[in-house]
Amino acid sequence: SQQGEEDPQALSIQEGENATMNCSYKTSINNLQWYRQNSGRGLVHLILIRSNEREKHSGRLRVTLDTSKKSSSLLITASRAADTASYFCATDSRTGANNLFFGTGTRLTVIP
Amino acid sequence: SAVISQKPSRDICQRGTSLTIQCQVDSQVTMMFWYRQQPGQSLTLIATANQGSEATYESGFVIDKFPISRPNLTFSTLTVSNMSPEDSSIYLCSVVTYQETQYFGPGTRLLVL
Repeated sequence: SQQGEEDPQALSIQEGENATMNCSYKTSINNLQWYRQNSGRGLVHLILIRSNEREKHSGRLRVTLDTSKKSSSLLITASRAADTASYFCATDSRTGANNLFFGTGTRLTVIP
Repeated sequence: SAVISQKPSRDICQRGTSLTIQCQVDSQVTMMFWYRQQPGQSLTLIATANQGSEATYESGFVIDKFPISRPNLTFSTLTVSNMSPEDSSIYLCSVVTYQETQYFGPGTRLLVL
């Protein structure tokens, strides 16, 4: 299976701290995406990093990709209570199927 | 970007009935998908909605249970047929844009009694 696997499964931090979530996958990819899902809501796309990129920033988000280790990390700096959500990494397939394979997610709780 | 709407946003249905979920996107997209997210679990791809032809189903999902239509590039429907409580879930429409980014709709929360 190409499914990404996030770790940790759950993370609890104080507001203002940084949160780091990791994702590992199994086969070659075109790109890797991170999504956020607030409880009971739909997925929100956060950031896409292509296989030839190593790092990408968007606001308080920093994503790294190491294709040699088949892993990615999502760093949220200066966390806020509103960042409380589940975070999923999703990979696509180099076979061109153009759909995404999701991991089980990391549940982040930011304590005010 | 792509803005996706789904109808209904939620529903409570009786066992044995069917529900059709509509997905509308505000721009032409290359691909449309339907996902299911059961309580406490990650997303599972049900099928790829193909314009003008039969959908492509993933292992464990069949057309008789989840018939799908996609009459044009911006609209698709998913029907959950002969429902049972095990079908209680969030059903999400998803699209891939020409920029190769995947977006998700707000989801339809289904409860089957």
